Amino acid sequence: SQTIHQWPATLVQPVGSPLSLECTVEGTSNPNLYWYRQAAGRGLQLLFYSVGIGQISSEVPQNLSASRPQDRQFILSSKKLLLSDSGFYLCAWSSGLAGNQETQYFGPGTRLLVL
Amino acid sequence: RKEVEQDPGPFNVPEGATVAFNCTYSNSASQSFFWYRQDCRKEPKLLMSVYSSGNEDGRFTAQLNRASQYISLLIRDSKLSDSATYLCVVFTGGFKTIFGAGTRLFVKA
Repeated sequence: SQTIHQWPATLVQPVGSPLSLECTVEGTSNPNLYWYRQAAGRGLQLLFYSVGIGQISSEVPQNLSASRPQDRQFILSSKKLLLSDSGFYLCAWSSGLAGNQETQYFGPGTRLLVL
Repeated sequence: RKEVEQDPGPFNVPEGATVAFNCTYSNSASQSFFWYRQDCRKEPKLLMSVYSSGNEDGRFTAQLNRASQYISLLIRDSKLSDSATYLCVVFTGGFKTIFGAGTRLFVKA
């Protein structure tokens, strides 16, 4: 069966510090991978998605970036965090099969607080 | 107008009650529809997909009305463990999946 991991689970960072969040998926090959952010009491906002190694699409321009160095690894980064970057960051995967209806499965998330 | 709209609630219901949530979407070309459940401070988890013919999973029934562009979720015989936020999710094609902000449900003893 497929599993998805994220770490760290929680993070408190000062404004202006760098960020690296990691997500890995097991039990599947060539998944589509996604990074979402959920602000308190709000819906999920898609930040990035990837259909393969090195292929990243950005949905919202901001000071975050993403990379996919391996098939089942997805990394979210920032060089300098802003207060507005605080939130619940969720990684998700879906089957990369053509025509799939895009059911997405989420990792446990990273709760980030920028002070 | 938001692409996916839900009544934020909260819905406060007693155990054993039947409760229904509605969700409207704006893109008539939307392809797939889902309900997710999210517990407090946890990740969303797929509850069920929503098919045009309607579908049922135990106490949960989902309906899709393409003409009126809304999706519904019916929970029968509510349990305390049903307390959560229910997210309406619409896949519009490509890699665009829109999540509603969620409807909060509290089931009381």
